[in-house]
Amino acid sequence: ETGVTQTPRHLVMGMTNKKSLKCEQHLGHNAMYWYKQSAKKPLELMFVYNFKEQTENNSVPSRFSPECPNSSHLFLHLHTLQPEDSALYLCASSLGVGGGDYNEQFFGPGTRLTVL
Amino acid sequence: AQKVTQAQTEISVVEKEDVTLDCVYETRDTTYYLFWYKQPPSGELVFLIRRNSFDEQNEISGRYSWNFQKSTSSFNFTITASQVVDSAVYFCALSGGNQGGKLIFGQGTELSVKP
Repeated sequence: ETGVTQTPRHLVMGMTNKKSLKCEQHLGHNAMYWYKQSAKKPLELMFVYNFKEQTENNSVPSRFSPECPNSSHLFLHLHTLQPEDSALYLCASSLGVGGGDYNEQFFGPGTRLTVL
Repeated sequence: AQKVTQAQTEISVVEKEDVTLDCVYETRDTTYYLFWYKQPPSGELVFLIRRNSFDEQNEISGRYSWNFQKSTSSFNFTITASQVVDSAVYFCALSGGNQGGKLIFGQGTELSVKP
């Protein structure tokens, strides 16, 4: 496996369900990110992790709960979501969170989430 | 505050035409980085280029070229002799020198290249 992988690629869930999105990077990077991409909107940064520590929470509702057990894996736990949370969730990684080369982010293919 | 504006929501061209995608940014940082990403229908964002604020030299890579002008806060992207495979959404993004990895994305420009 190379690059950044995400599973599942598609997910349909009810508002009372609990599910998790998984991201794995095989690039030896230390920083990982979650983005939300809604239709007709720019990508919104949700969370940033650097060396497993959360460094950014962009005012994300608590029904989204991230977990970063190590620098290669990132999860997004979902519970009691709303229909407006339906979107493409993208994971990315970078060497670090500094400038220049450190901030070149490599993206996974995303998980298309539909909340009924 | 940092902001990226891509005023063109959708562009449609015929194959072999040249097309320029506009990007205008706002930042107070003296050191910053600009990026272009391509998002094909499969969804994955593909990194195209990074430009540092202290390097205004334009760049050409095959059919792609980028024009960075600090005086007008613009970082435009030109595709020469467009092809159907260039059809995608293109995003311009900005990162400050001390922004902890945060990328600020523009709204994206959807490019459709017709045969």
